[in-house]
Amino acid sequence: QLQESGPGLVKPSETLSLKCSVSGGSISSGSYYWGWIRRPPGKGLEWIGIMYHSGTSYYNPSLKSRVTISVGTSKNQISLDLRSVSAADTAVYFCARVYCGGDCSLYFYHFYYMDVWGNGTTVTVSS
Amino acid sequence: QSVLTQPPSASGTPGQRVTISCSGSSSNIRSNFVFWYQHLPGTAPKLLIYRNNQRPSGVPDRFSGSKSGASASLTINGLRSEDEADYFCAAWDDSLSAHWVFGGGTKLTVL
Repeated sequence: QLQESGPGLVKPSETLSLKCSVSGGSISSGSYYWGWIRRPPGKGLEWIGIMYHSGTSYYNPSLKSRVTISVGTSKNQISLDLRSVSAADTAVYFCARVYCGGDCSLYFYHFYYMDVWGNGTTVTVSS
Repeated sequence: QSVLTQPPSASGTPGQRVTISCSGSSSNIRSNFVFWYQHLPGTAPKLLIYRNNQRPSGVPDRFSGSKSGASASLTINGLRSEDEADYFCAAWDDSLSAHWVFGGGTKLTVL
């Protein structure tokens, strides 16, 4: 199971920081990446990025300059930092487990997909 | 504007068959797998189809996926009221740096 948490309100130009607690399995598993996706109000899903426990990552090019995803193996938790936010960053933010198809070291990223999602947490950017 | 193109809406009556299309390009759908998700706002998105046409355990066989060239489709047979939701196609995109892209989503209404 995945559970997102964080502040529901962030001021423009500040940093949005969210956590996702993972239960029922180890975040250090060799078969999974971990990632973040968001859905702005009235719009579709937008992929933010994913990270492996070793640090290998893939990011949305349009957000890459403002995003940091971290995988905390000691707390079995993943984190998202999104810097210099604006109203356009208002959304429901989801964390997700990304299955590699097996051992991630043996599968090319084309095989990866989000298979389990959290329920999401709503973040509003407003002064 | 989304990289993958879906119709914004679709509808059908209970028992009908509905097909949702997803159009991409050579950098995504033509060369990579397609995935489909169902999302009811306020809940966790649910994986319906992976790797073009594979169903995860627990997904009814009423749902099926296909791909041809740079396009894909999701078909729902025997439409049920609980299928009313938003549906998103997705794929890896190899342009710029590798990243995942979603379609804009299709709102399915069961009449």
